[in-house]
This record gives sequence, structure tokens and C-alpha cells, in this order.
Amino acid sequence: SQKIEQNSEALNIQEGKTATLTCNYTNYSPAYLQWYRQDPGRGPVFLLLIRENEKEKRKERLKVTFDTTLKQSLFHITASQPADSATYLCALRTRMETGTASKLTFGTGTRLQVTL
Amino acid sequence: DGGITQSPKYLFRKEGQNVTLSCEQNLNHDAMYWYRQDPGQGLRLIYYSQIVNDFQKGDIAEGYSVSREKKESFPLTVTSAQKNPTAFYLCASLGAATSGYTFGSGTRLTVV
Repeated sequence: SQKIEQNSEALNIQEGKTATLTCNYTNYSPAYLQWYRQDPGRGPVFLLLIRENEKEKRKERLKVTFDTTLKQSLFHITASQPADSATYLCALRTRMETGTASKLTFGTGTRLQVTL
Repeated sequence: DGGITQSPKYLFRKEGQNVTLSCEQNLNHDAMYWYRQDPGQGLRLIYYSQIVNDFQKGDIAEGYSVSREKKESFPLTVTSAQKNPTAFYLCASLGAATSGYTFGSGTRLTVV
């Protein structure tokens, strides 16, 4: 069966350190992998998208890697700040078939807590 | 500002009642989606729509219904057939295929 796995345990790190979150998947052939941030009681906010033929994507303090051989994506936040504390979700979009819509499947998310 | 508006933010339903959750977007996006989120679980797809007057079932469509009469609007009805409707409901839209989803702020539905 298809599965997207993120570490369900919260990640606690100290301010200024680099946070690394993991997303593993099985039985998917994703065209795109996306990362979202979700704060309590709010909708997810899109952060980054990486294509299957890309190895790495950066945006400010964020970096995403995508290894289709390992079936894994890593999400890094450098110089982390308390304001980065949130739940981070990865999502996969599989290759579109003719006439079907684009739809994402989400992991359960990993909660990040950055402390002073 | 462009975005997605979901209403109400909180909704209480009695057993046996149907309720409708509103989702409106002014982003001119063609595709719209409804997800359900339960504690400790990922978002699960209920229904989606690529274009006006067309929609498809997602992974957990039983007990739900939708309509897409206008591009801007994609309301979700939670019917009495939905056995466990208490959850956080999220509406989203998608513009370009290579962009991310834009989500609303959600509706928390509770059965009383």
C-alpha cells in the first residue's frame, strides 16, 4: 500500500541550530514533493515544491532535498528561530493521468519546537 | 487580498442533521479541494473539483456531498450519513500545476 511517513515525535532544537525533518514514502512515483507549515488551528501554508528530477531546492533559510532512489525528502531550516515552531507536512503529487486532477497526499506531519 | 475564505470557523451539529461548510476563493483558480484532518492523522481528501460543474470523490467521500456551480465556490455538505463528522475541515485551491495549494483557515465541526 502507499504510505508517506513523517516522524510523529516532536523535534526539539535550540535556537540557531539547523532543524532537519524527514519524509519517507513507499509505493509512490511522485512527480512533485511539497512541504507545508501548519500552525495550531490554521490551514497549512505552502513553503517549497521540488520536482522528481531535482535534487535540492532552497528558499531563504529553507532547503529541501529529494532522493527518488531512497524515496526520501529532507527538509532543513537553518538558523532556526522560535517563530519556526509549527507542524511541518510533506505531500506528494503523483504523475497525472490524462483527464485526472492534480491531487496531493499528505503525511501526518512533524511538530518542530525551537527553544531559546 | 486574494485568498480562500471558509465559514463558519466553528460549527456544531446535532445528530441527524445535515450541515454545509462554505468555501469561497477569489484567486481565479480552477481546481478546488476539501480535506478532513483528525488529530494525529494526515489530511485526507474528501472531494475535489477541476472545473465548474464537475467534481470527483476523494478517498473518504462517503457521507459527504459537494457542488461546484461557480468557479469561486465549492461548498461541502456533511450529511447525517457521515458517522463520525467531528473533525477539522480544510478547503484548498490550486492554480498552476507546479505551485502549491492555497488553504483556507478551516472549519472545526463538532457533533453535539
